[in-house]
Amino acid sequence: DTEVTQTPKHLVMGMTNKKSLKCEQHMGHRAMYWYKQKAKKPPELMFVYSYEKLSINESVPSRFSPECPNSSLLNLHLHALQPEDSALYLCASSQGEGYEQYFGPGTRLTVT
Amino acid sequence: AQSVTQLDSHVSVSEGTPVLLRCNYSSSYSPSLFWYVQHPNKGLQLLLKYTSAATLVKGINGFEAEFKKSETSFHLTKPSAHMSDAAEYFCVVSELGGYNKLIFGAGTRLAVHP
Repeated sequence: DTEVTQTPKHLVMGMTNKKSLKCEQHMGHRAMYWYKQKAKKPPELMFVYSYEKLSINESVPSRFSPECPNSSLLNLHLHALQPEDSALYLCASSQGEGYEQYFGPGTRLTVT
Repeated sequence: AQSVTQLDSHVSVSEGTPVLLRCNYSSSYSPSLFWYVQHPNKGLQLLLKYTSAATLVKGINGFEAEFKKSETSFHLTKPSAHMSDAAEYFCVVSELGGYNKLIFGAGTRLAVHP
């Protein structure tokens, strides 16, 4: 099974709301990733977790807060977002360096 | 530092004709290279990967790519396009140094006409 699942598929939130995105994989991968993708652009890396520890934060604003509760789950907590944060948020997982990443279907986020 | 250049932002073909999507990479070592496809409002799906085994790599849905070190290229081809191939295609290199960071090309939009 090479599936990464993400919930919800769509999310509309106001600038004062708090919401969370969820990602799950059962491939035994120890690296998990959050990406942000704007229309007609490639994905941009936000965070990398390796063995459940935050390894890379690509200078992401603190209104995005990642969490890795266990080796299969990855969350992205959202608070006080701006309209320019509207995008497709993708989760991915990987065995490690040099290996392919498997992507989830994404969450389409709209901030009003 | 590694980089990826996709030479065409848009490619348009007729159904049943060959597809060629061009990708050049820059790397000081033998890289891991990938092609991903993204259909509208979907996640990215791995088409194929090169990891220093055979230079001609076969992927899913009839796609293949050839790694040419002398030309630093990794072009994606398919003998006969299908309407369902219409999508965005990304050429990707894996960055050396841990954590498997991916470096994406800008993408090529493939249109397939009847």
